Amino acid sequence: EPEVTQTPSHQVTQMGQEVILRCVPISNHLYFYWYRQILGQKVEFLVSFYNNEISEKSEIFDDQFSVERPDGSNFTLKIRSTKLEDSAMYFCASYGTGYEQYFGPGTRLTVT
Amino acid sequence: GQQLNQSPQSMFIQEGEDVSMNCTSSSIFNTWLWYKQDPGEGPVLLIALYKAGELTSNGRLTAQFGITRKDSFLNISASIPSDVGIYFCAQRSYNTDKLIFGTGTRLQVFP
Repeated sequence: EPEVTQTPSHQVTQMGQEVILRCVPISNHLYFYWYRQILGQKVEFLVSFYNNEISEKSEIFDDQFSVERPDGSNFTLKIRSTKLEDSAMYFCASYGTGYEQYFGPGTRLTVT
Repeated sequence: GQQLNQSPQSMFIQEGEDVSMNCTSSSIFNTWLWYKQDPGEGPVLLIALYKAGELTSNGRLTAQFGITRKDSFLNISASIPSDVGIYFCAQRSYNTDKLIFGTGTRLQVFP
C-alpha cells in the first residue's frame, strides 16, 4: 500500500540554525500539506501546496518557513532560523481525490 | 475561527468494554473525519462521513454524522489493547482543503 514517507525521523538543531524536513508524498497525489503538533497538543495546519505554489498558509507559517517541491517527488519544509518554540512533530500529508489526506509518520524536531 | 471540541479528554477502560467519544463544532460542515494517532506516529484515517445522519462502520468502529451537522460521535466496541492511542476528529475547511483537528481523546485500555 502506498504511503507518505518522511526523513529524518528525529532532528536536533540549535536555535538559529536552518533545518529542512523532507517528505515523499504518495506518487499520484497532487495536494500536499505540512502540519505541526506540539507535544501533547492537537495537530495544526501549517501550509498547503498545489500546482507548485502555496494555496493556503496559517498564521504560524511566517517568513521563517518555506516549502518547495524541488524534483516532482520530494516535498520539503524549510525553517530558516529555528526558535525554541519550533520544537514539535511535523507531519507531511497528501491526497489525490476525495477528502482523505494521508499522513506521514512525522519528523520530531528538537530545537535546543 | 473553527473549533472542534472533543470529549472526554481522556478515557481509561478495561479490555472488552465499549467506548464512546464525541466531537462538537462551532460551525456547520459537510464532512467529519476520525483519525487515530499511535504514540510517535502520524494520524491514520479511520472513518470518513459525508452526509448528515450518516452512520458508518469500520470493523469494531462506528461513527455517525450528527443531524445538526455540528457534531459526530465515534464508538469502539469490545476494546482491545491495540486501541490505545489518541483519537482526533477533523473537518475539511469549506473553501480550502486544510484539515482542522479536534482537541483529541486519549484512550488507555487495561487488560
